[in-house]
Amino acid sequence: AQSVTQPDIHITVSEGASLELRCNYSYGATPYLFWYVQSPGQGLQLLLKYFSGDTLVQGIKGFEAEFKRSQSSFNLRKPSVHWSDAAEYFCAVARPLTGGGNKLTFGTGTQLKVEL
Amino acid sequence: NAGVTQTPKFRILKIGQSMTLQCAQDMNHNYMYWYRQDPGMGLKLIYYSVGAGITDKGEVPNGYNVSRSTTEDFPLRLELAAPSQTSVYFCASRPGQGSGNTIYFGEGSWLTVV
Repeated sequence: AQSVTQPDIHITVSEGASLELRCNYSYGATPYLFWYVQSPGQGLQLLLKYFSGDTLVQGIKGFEAEFKRSQSSFNLRKPSVHWSDAAEYFCAVARPLTGGGNKLTFGTGTQLKVEL
Repeated sequence: NAGVTQTPKFRILKIGQSMTLQCAQDMNHNYMYWYRQDPGMGLKLIYYSVGAGITDKGEVPNGYNVSRSTTEDFPLRLELAAPSQTSVYFCASRPGQGSGNTIYFGEGSWLTVV
């Protein structure tokens, strides 16, 4: 069975500071990994994804994530946080479903607060 | 391009009432999903569909039903609403095989059962 762990429920950073959100996964095969962001009262927006190839992936809004197989991690990073980045962030892993398609398993989310 | 559209966005139900959450996508995606999101629990898959006429249960299907009569629409039905079904519901869709694994989400439907 696959699982995703986001060990930090809440993180507070100052605007302009760097950010790293942790994500660890458990999955038997090569994972498909995702980071989503959810602003208050809004739906989920895809930040970036990893399927294969270069282990450092670039996403929207200046985010990047690095896949480390040896650590079963897919941490999200941003060099300089903006106040508008305050939101909840979800890490997810995908596995194939019977009959086709993929099932995403989500972590419980990390709430990011940005101090001005 | 509207993407994935969910209605209603907010709804309050009384215990025992029934309702349908509507979901439509205009991207001609084969795969569609319903998730619920509870605080501190992440997202859980309720039902999914790999094409018109085909549906299957996810992790938490009890108390819900779905249908997929067309490619575009994937409504979620609550027959006898219970307080445990108070949650935020997300519909999502995905292109067919060979089109990558990105899943596109609707903006969510906030449901409260009282």
